[in-house]
Amino acid sequence: GAVVSQHPSWVICKSGTSVKIECRSLDFQATTMFWYRQFPKQSLMLMATSNEGSKATYEQGVEKDKFLINHASLTLSTLTVTSAHPEDSSFYICSARSTQGVSETQYFGPGTRLLVL
Amino acid sequence: GENVEQHPSTLSVQEGDSAVIKCTYSDSASNYFPWYKQELGKRPQLIIDIRSNVGEKKDQRIAVTLNKTAKHFSLHITETQPEDSAVYFCAASSGAGNMLTFGGGTRLMVKP
Repeated sequence: GAVVSQHPSWVICKSGTSVKIECRSLDFQATTMFWYRQFPKQSLMLMATSNEGSKATYEQGVEKDKFLINHASLTLSTLTVTSAHPEDSSFYICSARSTQGVSETQYFGPGTRLLVL
Repeated sequence: GENVEQHPSTLSVQEGDSAVIKCTYSDSASNYFPWYKQELGKRPQLIIDIRSNVGEKKDQRIAVTLNKTAKHFSLHITETQPEDSAVYFCAASSGAGNMLTFGGGTRLMVKP
């Protein structure tokens, strides 16, 4: 149980294009999903907290107009990197927190590696 | 907000030896402390967690200890094996929104 999927796993795009990443909880409902960014050999940095049916909460320094988050259902959250630039290249990982059982536990998706040329 | 410090950043041990990774946190309201293992290019996997109402938890070769007074917690891996080689992250949850703040990670290398 507690499986989280992400799609796509790899994205290579040209500078200026927008990229959409999906995060799904496959066997549980998640009222809250989290989006992280991870640079090589670094820790996970929380970008935003996504709550089903409401606006996402962004961490300081994260541009909400650049990283659009939508959490339309209890099993799906999307992150759209708008007008991507090379500095946006990174490993983006989502996590989901179950509505049942131990509420603090977060389960991570496999990540999406974004390369902006 | 919460701040989590993790040490060491790299740790090399011989197969069969023990490995200890330590973390400190700043927010006394934090009450949930998970540890994740991340292999290269893969997702972080929860390996063990502890809540503030207990001081120690063990799962086979892995144990975690928590000292709330000192605001630090540690991961102990005994009888290390090459497949334990990975990056380990500690984290703390401060309650509000239950978001996790991660430590900087420890790259563990187990030499056969």
